Amino acid sequence: GEDVEQSLFLSVREGDSSVINCTYTDSSSTYLYWYKQEPGAGLQLLTYIFSNMDMKQDQRLTVLLNKKDKHLSLRIADTQTGDSAIYFCAEITYNTDKLIFGTGTRLQVFP
Amino acid sequence: DTGVSQNPRHKITKRGQNVTFRCDPISEHNRLYWYRQTLGQGPEFLTYFQNEAQLEKSRLLSDRFSAERPKGSFSTLEIQRTEQGDSAMYLCASSLILPGTEAFFGQGTRLTVV
Repeated sequence: GEDVEQSLFLSVREGDSSVINCTYTDSSSTYLYWYKQEPGAGLQLLTYIFSNMDMKQDQRLTVLLNKKDKHLSLRIADTQTGDSAIYFCAEITYNTDKLIFGTGTRLQVFP
Repeated sequence: DTGVSQNPRHKITKRGQNVTFRCDPISEHNRLYWYRQTLGQGPEFLTYFQNEAQLEKSRLLSDRFSAERPKGSFSTLEIQRTEQGDSAMYLCASSLILPGTEAFFGQGTRLTVV
């Protein structure tokens, strides 16, 4: 079945690292994505990882994938106030061509 | 190309009225998706097209909802006899067919049914 879950809220101090977690249930996931949504804006793709990878790094972003536990995480190094937003993980599986989104994690960065 | 464009950005309608939203995808993208997002939730899939063919519809899409993409370019989403529960942000996205390619989202149409 299709179910993607995230913790609802994360608060971090500016300059610290943020880690946003996501769990999914469909073992046939092929690609897993992280999207960012700022207030009043659409969804912006941050990064994605193919299911045969376990890590991907892109500047301040590090994605870790544990297929055994069906767990995905997004680490943001040196978090800035501009990183405050809602972060969604999403998956695409072998069975479907549509993105299935999690409920989103609201990241709040304070000075 | 300026990306995925959705019109209108906001729509307020009375319960029972019909509404239609338009999405203009990125021009070379053959896939077009519609999602609905309510407050505090992630986007929920409604339907998608590959060129002009509607390939999948969610069970969320009641018979009051209809989507079209007549020439494989822009798409419309119509809601008939709107209900208060239809109030949400309606998001459109487009992509190429290739696996793993990015789906680009528009800024959405916010519908409020009063």
